[in-house]
Amino acid sequence: SQTIHQWPATLVQPVGSPLSLECTVEGTSNPNLYWYRQAAGRGLQLLFYSVGIGQISSEVPQNLSASRPQDRQFILSSKKLLLSDSGFYLCAWRSNRGLNTEAFFGQGTRLTVV
Amino acid sequence: DAKTTQPPSMDCAEGRAANLPCNHSTISGNEYVYWYRQIHSQGPQYIIHGLKNNETNEMASLIITEDRKSSTLILPHATLRDTAVYYCIVRVVNTGKLIFGQGTTLQVKP
Repeated sequence: SQTIHQWPATLVQPVGSPLSLECTVEGTSNPNLYWYRQAAGRGLQLLFYSVGIGQISSEVPQNLSASRPQDRQFILSSKKLLLSDSGFYLCAWRSNRGLNTEAFFGQGTRLTVV
Repeated sequence: DAKTTQPPSMDCAEGRAANLPCNHSTISGNEYVYWYRQIHSQGPQYIIHGLKNNETNEMASLIITEDRKSSTLILPHATLRDTAVYYCIVRVVNTGKLIFGQGTTLQVKP
């Protein structure tokens, strides 16, 4: 069966520090991968998605970047965090086999920038 | 990307059916309607999806109007554990992007 792992679960980082959040998927190959952010009391905002290794599409201009160094690994990074980067970050995957497959989400990382 | 409109909040009595509406008037012919829910501080959970026919699974039923401009998610016997934010999403076919709106906060009351 397929599983998605996201870590850490919570993170407190000072302003100006770097960030690296990792997401890995097991039990599937060549998945579509997604990073979302959810600010407090708000809906989910799609940040990045990837349909293959090294292929990253950015949805909104921001202080973050994403990379996909391996087929089932998706990394969210920042060189210098801002206070506005605080939020709940979610990774998701979806099979690319067929047009109507559902997406599965990880349990998220709650990032607080102080 | 087709957008969706949902009421911000709804209440439902425990044991009764919860009917959550969604408008997606700009949906394209090959775009699917997906429903997810998010319980506080957790990742969204997939519920159901459909194209034009009504769908049912162990969690819920999805009723899509004939013109596909709106749909209704039905939780047949709501429990307190169904209290969550429910998102109606139209999925972009060529990229698979899921664009979330603000969702409906469903409060199931005893």
